[in-house]
Amino acid sequence: QKEVEQDPGPLSVPEGAIVSLNCTYSNSAFQYFMWYRQYSRKGPELLMYTYSSGNKEDGRFTAQVDKSSKYISLFIRDSQPSDSATYLCAMTPNSGYALNFGKGTSLLVTP
Amino acid sequence: DARVTQTPRHKVTEMGQEVTMRCQPILGHNTVFWYRQTMMQGLELLAYFRNRAPLDDSGMPKDRFSAEMPDATLATLKIQPSEPRDSAVYFCASGRGQGRDNEQFFGPGTRLTVL
Repeated sequence: QKEVEQDPGPLSVPEGAIVSLNCTYSNSAFQYFMWYRQYSRKGPELLMYTYSSGNKEDGRFTAQVDKSSKYISLFIRDSQPSDSATYLCAMTPNSGYALNFGKGTSLLVTP
Repeated sequence: DARVTQTPRHKVTEMGQEVTMRCQPILGHNTVFWYRQTMMQGLELLAYFRNRAPLDDSGMPKDRFSAEMPDATLATLKIQPSEPRDSAVYFCASGRGQGRDNEQFFGPGTRLTVL
């Protein structure tokens, strides 16, 4: 079993919908949690970065971490066709260099 | 603006040939990572360096893969001999450190096809 699990989708939603993307993990040492967005034929780019538990908001994006449940989420409000991409969660312990990635969820936002 | 660069962007080769992929990390970043991405396995960490020294290459098939950092501005990943199962997109990423500083910046990738 991988340390980080993520439903690969694909997830298809209409424009304007609220999108919820999730990851679960098994290593309680993970302290830093990230969401990367990857457009087709591009490298992943960092979207959101959170430390420990709690919420972080940036524009239409909200990242949530629930360490007690080992569960993280990314919410996208008012989704746009330009949000169509693969979203990868990643996490690392306090003293780690390597990131542990989920396999990514493919999202399609239709006009 | 600062970004990770990778060459070549695409590579098609025949089984048994040597493949060399190059990466220029962002200036000032002292941690460099090599990843491989496939549909089946997702993003897999192959190896990474800190201050040019290899820290972990446990994700790499040792018999055919090798990774080096000849200097702070160049990281290389070699496959010799290449096999069809090596077909994937190979990403290089660089960062500044661990924990809170472990934001990794990815290059555009090298799309490798081994026939």
